[in-house]
Amino acid sequence: DGGITQSPKYLFRKEGQNVTLSCEQNLNHDAMYWYRQDPGQGLRLIYYSQIVNDFQKGDIAEGYSVSREKKESFPLTVTSAQKNPTAFYLCASSTGQYSNQPQHFGDGTRLSIL
Amino acid sequence: SQQGEEDPQALSIQEGENATMNCSYKTSINNLQWYRQNSGRGLVHLILIRSNEREKHSGRLRVTLDTSKKSSSLLITASRAADTASYFCATVNAGGTSYGKLTFGQGTILTVHP
Repeated sequence: DGGITQSPKYLFRKEGQNVTLSCEQNLNHDAMYWYRQDPGQGLRLIYYSQIVNDFQKGDIAEGYSVSREKKESFPLTVTSAQKNPTAFYLCASSTGQYSNQPQHFGDGTRLSIL
Repeated sequence: SQQGEEDPQALSIQEGENATMNCSYKTSINNLQWYRQNSGRGLVHLILIRSNEREKHSGRLRVTLDTSKKSSSLLITASRAADTASYFCATVNAGGTSYGKLTFGQGTILTVHP
């Protein structure tokens, strides 16, 4: 089945530690996105990538970094500079060529602070 | 930044009743999309309506768009307990190069009682 796989499902971070969230898709989509969701809130865009080896900052990129070395993969690193990382992180993808295409989402990673 | 404002924040109904959720936005859009999120899961795309469309149907879902009022509504007819979820509107702004970049509202929590 085609889809988006996020791992791990739960992740715990110690103070001063960087952690990396995995996102893999087999939908052959060009565009990929990372969102953060806080309790009772909508999604806020962290980073997005329209094509391999290219990515742009979203609305809340500070304290996060990404890479896009392969079409299928778009890992997100939550750095120690992100002082309030506790949230639900969602990865999505779309065909990317046109703005009238829906996004497909993974099932998220819940990050907490130890 | 949050483009959409959703109303109501929470809605509780009985099975068989209709559920209506509203979304308002601030800037000109290319399209507006509705997504559903079950608790602790990723988002699932429901329906997309383009800025030149006024109404769209998909099964028990009916979406309307009024660009003069910058608002949209989602109607779920003959609701079922399985429709219990959070519902989000998301917009793609007109113009620019932000292919498919979505801006989400804060969502409506729908509870359907058996």
